[in-house]
Amino acid sequence: DAMVIQNPRYQVTQFGKPVTLSCSQTLNHNVMYWYQQKSSQAPKLLFHYYDKDFNNEADTPDNFQSRRPNTSFCFLDIRSPGLGDAAMYLCATSSGNPYYEQYFGPGTRLTVT
Amino acid sequence: GIQVEQSPPDLILQEGANSTLRCNFSDSVNNLQWFHQNPWGQLINLFYIPSGTKQNGRLSATTVATERYSLLYISSSQTTDSGVYFCAVPRGFTSGTYKYIFGTGTRLKVLA
Repeated sequence: DAMVIQNPRYQVTQFGKPVTLSCSQTLNHNVMYWYQQKSSQAPKLLFHYYDKDFNNEADTPDNFQSRRPNTSFCFLDIRSPGLGDAAMYLCATSSGNPYYEQYFGPGTRLTVT
Repeated sequence: GIQVEQSPPDLILQEGANSTLRCNFSDSVNNLQWFHQNPWGQLINLFYIPSGTKQNGRLSATTVATERYSLLYISSSQTTDSGVYFCAVPRGFTSGTYKYIFGTGTRLKVLA
Protein backbone atom coordinates (compact mmCIF):
# COMPACT_ATOMS: atom_id res chain seq x y z
CA ASP A 1 0.00 0.00 0.00
CA ALA A 2 1.18 3.50 -0.80
CA MET A 3 1.96 5.32 2.40
CA VAL A 4 3.88 7.85 4.44
CA ILE A 5 6.43 6.36 6.84
CA GLN A 6 8.16 8.08 9.73
CA ASN A 7 11.16 6.79 11.64
CA PRO A 8 11.68 6.44 14.46
CA ARG A 9 8.24 6.45 16.07
CA TYR A 10 9.73 7.47 19.39
CA GLN A 11 12.96 9.40 19.84
CA VAL A 12 14.66 10.41 23.06
CA THR A 13 17.49 12.92 22.87
CA GLN A 14 19.47 14.96 25.35
CA PHE A 15 19.26 18.69 25.72
CA GLY A 16 21.50 20.24 23.04
CA LYS A 17 22.25 16.97 21.21
CA PRO A 18 21.38 17.13 17.51
CA VAL A 19 18.65 14.82 16.30
CA THR A 20 17.30 13.88 12.87
CA LEU A 21 13.81 12.63 12.13
CA SER A 22 13.00 11.01 8.83
CA CYS A 23 9.99 10.73 6.57
CA SER A 24 9.58 8.67 3.44
CA GLN A 25 6.70 8.24 1.05
CA THR A 26 5.69 5.78 -1.64
CA LEU A 27 2.95 8.05 -3.02
CA ASN A 28 5.33 9.90 -5.37
CA HIS A 29 3.86 13.21 -4.19
CA ASN A 30 5.49 16.51 -5.07
CA VAL A 31 4.79 18.18 -1.73
CA MET A 32 6.08 17.21 1.70
CA TYR A 33 5.23 19.05 4.92
CA TRP A 34 6.61 18.99 8.46
CA TYR A 35 4.34 19.91 11.36
CA GLN A 36 5.03 20.22 15.07
CA GLN A 37 2.26 19.30 17.50
CA LYS A 38 2.59 19.99 21.21
CA SER A 39 0.37 18.40 23.80
CA SER A 40 -3.33 19.32 23.49
CA GLN A 41 -2.61 21.70 20.59
CA ALA A 42 -3.28 21.66 16.88
CA PRO A 43 -0.48 20.76 14.45
CA LYS A 44 1.58 23.77 13.40
CA LEU A 45 3.36 23.97 10.04
CA LEU A 46 7.14 24.29 10.24
CA PHE A 47 8.05 24.15 6.52
CA HIS A 48 7.22 22.42 3.28
CA TYR A 49 8.77 21.43 -0.01
CA TYR A 50 7.33 21.49 -3.49
CA ASP A 51 9.80 19.18 -5.20
CA LYS A 52 13.14 20.78 -4.25
CA ASP A 53 11.65 24.21 -3.59
CA PHE A 54 11.86 24.83 0.17
CA ASN A 55 9.43 27.09 2.05
CA ASN A 56 10.11 28.01 5.65
CA GLU A 57 7.41 29.45 7.93
CA ALA A 58 8.36 32.87 9.29
CA ASP A 59 8.08 31.73 12.91
CA THR A 60 9.96 28.43 12.56
CA PRO A 61 13.03 28.64 14.82
CA ASP A 62 16.45 28.64 13.16
CA ASN A 63 17.20 25.56 15.26
CA PHE A 64 15.02 23.56 12.83
CA GLN A 65 16.36 22.64 9.41
CA SER A 66 15.14 20.31 6.69
CA ARG A 67 16.55 18.37 3.77
CA ARG A 68 14.88 16.67 0.86
CA PRO A 69 17.48 14.68 -1.08
CA ASN A 70 14.92 13.12 -3.44
CA THR A 71 11.17 12.84 -3.99
CA SER A 72 10.75 9.99 -1.54
CA PHE A 73 12.64 11.24 1.52
CA CYS A 74 12.54 14.29 3.74
CA PHE A 75 14.46 14.92 6.97
CA LEU A 76 13.92 17.22 9.92
CA ASP A 77 17.09 18.22 11.74
CA ILE A 78 16.95 19.85 15.17
CA ARG A 79 20.40 21.26 15.74
CA SER A 80 20.28 21.91 19.49
CA PRO A 81 17.06 20.58 21.00
CA GLY A 82 15.66 22.39 23.99
CA LEU A 83 13.06 21.15 26.45
CA GLY A 84 10.46 23.20 24.58
CA ASP A 85 11.06 21.16 21.41
CA ALA A 86 9.53 18.04 22.95
CA ALA A 87 6.53 17.35 20.75
CA MET A 88 5.01 15.09 18.13
CA TYR A 89 6.49 15.74 14.69
CA LEU A 90 4.20 14.93 11.80
CA CYS A 91 5.13 14.53 8.16
CA ALA A 92 2.51 14.89 5.44
CA THR A 93 2.46 14.69 1.66
CA SER A 94 0.27 16.07 -1.08
CA SER A 95 0.36 15.58 -4.82
CA GLY A 96 -0.18 19.27 -5.53
CA ASN A 97 -2.26 20.78 -8.31
CA PRO A 98 -5.03 19.91 -8.72
CA TYR A 99 -5.21 17.53 -5.76
CA TYR A 100 -4.25 19.20 -2.50
CA GLU A 101 -5.41 16.57 -0.01
CA GLN A 102 -2.79 15.90 2.68
CA TYR A 103 -1.78 12.42 3.83
CA PHE A 104 -0.03 12.04 7.17
CA GLY A 105 2.51 9.61 8.53
CA PRO A 106 2.18 8.13 12.04
CA GLY A 107 4.41 10.80 13.59
CA THR A 108 7.58 10.77 15.70
CA ARG A 109 7.21 11.61 19.38
CA LEU A 110 10.32 13.45 20.53
CA THR A 111 11.35 13.57 24.18
CA VAL A 112 14.16 15.88 25.31
CA THR A 113 15.89 15.02 28.61
CA GLY B 1 -4.63 35.80 8.98
CA ILE B 2 -7.43 33.31 8.76
CA GLN B 3 -8.84 32.00 12.04
CA VAL B 4 -10.32 28.51 12.40
CA GLU B 5 -12.48 27.67 15.39
CA GLN B 6 -14.05 24.32 16.18
CA SER B 7 -16.93 23.53 18.48
CA PRO B 8 -17.57 22.01 20.86
CA PRO B 9 -14.04 21.73 22.30
CA ASP B 10 -14.96 18.58 24.22
CA LEU B 11 -17.72 16.06 23.74
CA ILE B 12 -18.68 12.92 25.65
CA LEU B 13 -21.14 10.51 24.08
CA GLN B 14 -22.70 7.23 24.96
CA GLU B 15 -22.05 4.55 22.37
CA GLY B 16 -24.74 4.65 19.69
CA ALA B 17 -25.41 8.38 19.96
CA ASN B 18 -25.14 10.84 17.08
CA SER B 19 -23.16 14.08 17.06
CA THR B 20 -22.34 17.13 14.99
CA LEU B 21 -18.96 18.84 15.06
CA ARG B 22 -18.53 22.31 13.62
CA CYS B 23 -15.62 24.14 11.97
CA ASN B 24 -15.90 27.91 11.44
CA PHE B 25 -13.36 29.86 9.42
CA SER B 26 -12.95 33.59 9.15
CA ASP B 27 -12.13 33.92 5.46
CA SER B 28 -13.20 32.26 2.24
CA VAL B 29 -11.46 28.99 1.42
CA ASN B 30 -11.37 26.71 -1.59
CA ASN B 31 -10.61 23.49 0.17
CA LEU B 32 -11.06 21.91 3.58
CA GLN B 33 -10.07 18.63 5.18
CA TRP B 34 -11.41 16.77 8.21
CA PHE B 35 -9.08 14.51 10.19
CA HIS B 36 -9.41 12.11 13.11
CA GLN B 37 -6.36 11.94 15.36
CA ASN B 38 -6.32 8.54 17.01
CA PRO B 39 -4.98 7.90 20.52
CA TRP B 40 -1.55 7.05 19.05
CA GLY B 41 -1.32 10.45 17.41
CA GLN B 42 -1.81 9.60 13.76
CA LEU B 43 -3.99 11.89 11.69
CA ILE B 44 -6.43 9.89 9.60
CA ASN B 45 -8.06 11.49 6.57
CA LEU B 46 -11.82 11.60 6.83
CA PHE B 47 -12.92 14.00 4.12
CA TYR B 48 -11.50 16.40 1.57
CA ILE B 49 -14.54 18.60 1.08
CA PRO B 50 -14.19 22.05 -0.50
CA SER B 51 -17.97 22.34 -0.79
CA GLY B 52 -21.12 20.26 -0.73
CA THR B 53 -21.78 17.04 1.13
CA LYS B 54 -19.94 13.73 1.26
CA GLN B 55 -20.69 10.51 3.10
CA ASN B 56 -18.49 7.62 4.15
CA GLY B 57 -20.26 4.98 6.19
CA ARG B 58 -21.40 6.44 9.52
CA LEU B 59 -19.64 9.72 8.83
CA SER B 60 -20.70 12.56 6.61
CA ALA B 61 -19.52 16.12 6.11
CA THR B 62 -20.98 19.29 4.67
CA THR B 63 -19.10 22.45 3.77
CA VAL B 64 -20.92 25.71 3.06
CA ALA B 65 -18.02 27.80 1.82
CA THR B 66 -20.09 30.94 1.26
CA GLU B 67 -21.11 30.93 4.93
CA ARG B 68 -17.63 29.89 6.13
CA TYR B 69 -18.37 26.71 8.00
CA SER B 70 -18.19 22.95 7.73
CA LEU B 71 -19.99 20.25 9.72
CA LEU B 72 -18.93 16.70 10.48
CA TYR B 73 -21.71 14.27 11.41
CA ILE B 74 -21.02 11.07 13.30
CA SER B 75 -23.91 8.65 13.55
CA SER B 76 -24.21 5.59 15.78
CA SER B 77 -20.93 6.45 17.49
CA GLN B 78 -18.54 3.68 18.54
CA THR B 79 -15.74 3.67 21.12
CA THR B 80 -13.24 3.59 18.25
CA ASP B 81 -14.49 7.05 17.22
CA SER B 82 -12.80 8.51 20.32
CA GLY B 83 -9.95 10.92 19.70
CA VAL B 84 -9.53 14.46 18.44
CA TYR B 85 -11.19 15.75 15.29
CA PHE B 86 -9.50 18.56 13.36
CA CYS B 87 -10.49 20.56 10.34
CA ALA B 88 -7.75 22.18 8.23
CA VAL B 89 -8.03 24.97 5.67
CA PRO B 90 -5.52 26.75 3.40
CA ARG B 91 -4.00 29.99 4.67
CA GLY B 92 -1.77 30.76 1.71
CA PHE B 93 -0.50 29.47 -1.60
CA THR B 94 3.26 29.25 -2.07
CA SER B 95 5.33 27.62 -4.77
CA GLY B 96 2.49 25.68 -6.31
CA THR B 97 0.78 24.40 -3.20
CA TYR B 98 -1.25 25.37 -0.16
CA LYS B 99 -0.09 25.92 3.39
CA TYR B 100 -2.64 24.81 5.92
CA ILE B 101 -3.89 25.97 9.29
CA PHE B 102 -5.60 23.55 11.61
CA GLY B 103 -8.64 24.30 13.70
CA THR B 104 -8.68 24.19 17.48
CA GLY B 105 -9.97 20.61 17.53
CA THR B 106 -12.85 18.74 19.16
CA ARG B 107 -11.91 16.07 21.68
CA LEU B 108 -14.46 13.24 21.53
CA LYS B 109 -14.86 10.45 24.02
CA VAL B 110 -17.37 7.68 23.35
CA LEU B 111 -18.35 5.60 26.36
CA ALA B 112 -19.27 1.92 26.10
